[in-house]
Amino acid sequence: ILNVEQSPQSLHVQEGDSTNFTCSFPSSNFYALHWYRWETAKSPEALFVMTLNGDEKKKGRISATLNTKEGYSYLYIKGSQPEDSATYLCAAYNFNKFYFGSGTKLNVKP
Amino acid sequence: EAGVAQSPRYKIIEKRQSVAFWCNPISGHATLYWYQQILGQGPKLLIQFQNNGVVDDSQLPKDRFSAERLKGVDSTLKIQPAKLEDSAVYLCASSSPRTGGARKETQYFGPGTRLLVL
Repeated sequence: ILNVEQSPQSLHVQEGDSTNFTCSFPSSNFYALHWYRWETAKSPEALFVMTLNGDEKKKGRISATLNTKEGYSYLYIKGSQPEDSATYLCAAYNFNKFYFGSGTKLNVKP
Repeated sequence: EAGVAQSPRYKIIEKRQSVAFWCNPISGHATLYWYQQILGQGPKLLIQFQNNGVVDDSQLPKDRFSAERLKGVDSTLKIQPAKLEDSAVYLCASSSPRTGGARKETQYFGPGTRLLVL
C-alpha cells in the first residue's frame, strides 16, 4: 500500500486570496500523479495528470507542479473564488493502482 | 457524452441488513472501479474490473462484500450483512485506455452513494 499524504486537511481563505496545497508520495517507483476536485454532492472531477519530473499543468486559475525526485506535487489556485470551494484529492498511480490522499477541503469566503 | 451513473444516491439501513449499489459506466469504458470513502479518509479501491474480469479485489472484504460486472457494462456492489463501519460514500469510476498507458488514464467518477448504517 502506498502512503499518499495531503496537507493541510482544510483551508479557509477569503475571495481573491491565492492559495496552495501539497500532495506527498513515495518517490520510488513513481508512475503518475492525478489531481481531482470534488464539490459537495457532485462527482469528483479530474483536473490534471502528471508523469514527468518538473511537469507543470495549468487550467484557468489552477495550476500544479510535480517533483518526482522528492515526492511531492503542489496545487495552486490564483485569486480564489467561492466556486473553488471543494475538496481537492490527489492520487498516485503505482503498482497498477491509484492510491488517494485524504484530500484538502478548501472553503472560499465571499 | 453521459457521465457515470450511480444509484441510489443515499441509503440508510440497519446493521446486519443487506444493500446493493448500481453503477453504469461511460459507454465504451473497459475499466470500472469501486471505491469506498470513509469520512476523513481518501477513497480506497475495493475492486477493479477490466471488461467483466476482476483485475484487483485485494482490499474487498470478501466475507461480506461482493461485486459483479455482467457483460462488461453495468456493475453492482453488494454488502451482506452490513456493519456500522461500512458507513461511507461508495464511488464508482470508469476509464478507457489512452496514449501513455494506464497510468495516464483519467478516471471519470459517478456522484457516489452515501451509505449510513445504524
